[in-house]
Amino acid sequence: DAKTTQPNSMESNEEEPVHLPCNHSTISGTDYIHWYRQLPSQGPEYVIHGLTSNVNNRMASLAIAEDRKSSTLILHRATLRDAAVYYCILFYTGTASKLTFGTGTRLQVTL
Amino acid sequence: DAGITQSPRYKITETGRQVTLMCHQTWSHSYMFWYRQDLGHGLRLIYYSAAADITDKGEVPDGYVVSRSKTENFPLTLESATRSQTSVYFCASSGGTGRATGELFFGEGSRLTVL
Repeated sequence: DAKTTQPNSMESNEEEPVHLPCNHSTISGTDYIHWYRQLPSQGPEYVIHGLTSNVNNRMASLAIAEDRKSSTLILHRATLRDAAVYYCILFYTGTASKLTFGTGTRLQVTL
Repeated sequence: DAGITQSPRYKITETGRQVTLMCHQTWSHSYMFWYRQDLGHGLRLIYYSAAADITDKGEVPDGYVVSRSKTENFPLTLESATRSQTSVYFCASSGGTGRATGELFFGEGSRLTVL
């Protein structure tokens, strides 16, 4: 399975943008890049995904490098409610078993 | 209410006992999954199911049994619980027919303690 590498933790001030990086140098052409987040004491929730082009939704933006070996999840204005563990995952639609979670990045947001 | 629900939310049992964790979803999603999450670790896939009567092993299936006789239910059974199975268990479902989508919907988790 292609692996992802994320920093263990990051900090941000409230109302500032946050850029969460993810390296996936062994990504294959059919792997989608998915991001999930897990708030304290809750199950993970889907944030965003993309294949090659940058993506935006109401929660975040996903910037994908041209060579697809890295990506960045962008929270445009962090709030205290965004404090969570963020997981970057490569997903191959051919088989469900490929949705493998790593240890993610723990984002702390302070006032 | 529509969604994915797990029961029980909290369970304490003893070593050697059988425990079943229930998962129910109301979306008629084809795919369902069981993950476990241990303190300080990410989620690890135990079993998954692509449709009723179709199940397959994930990363850590040993000591667990699953079944899926109906699309909406995906119970996870620990036939003889061990202390190493103390964990938080998450059930998830995903839409799509024939192939999974990467958008999983998770339940709130079942916290299991094995004494």
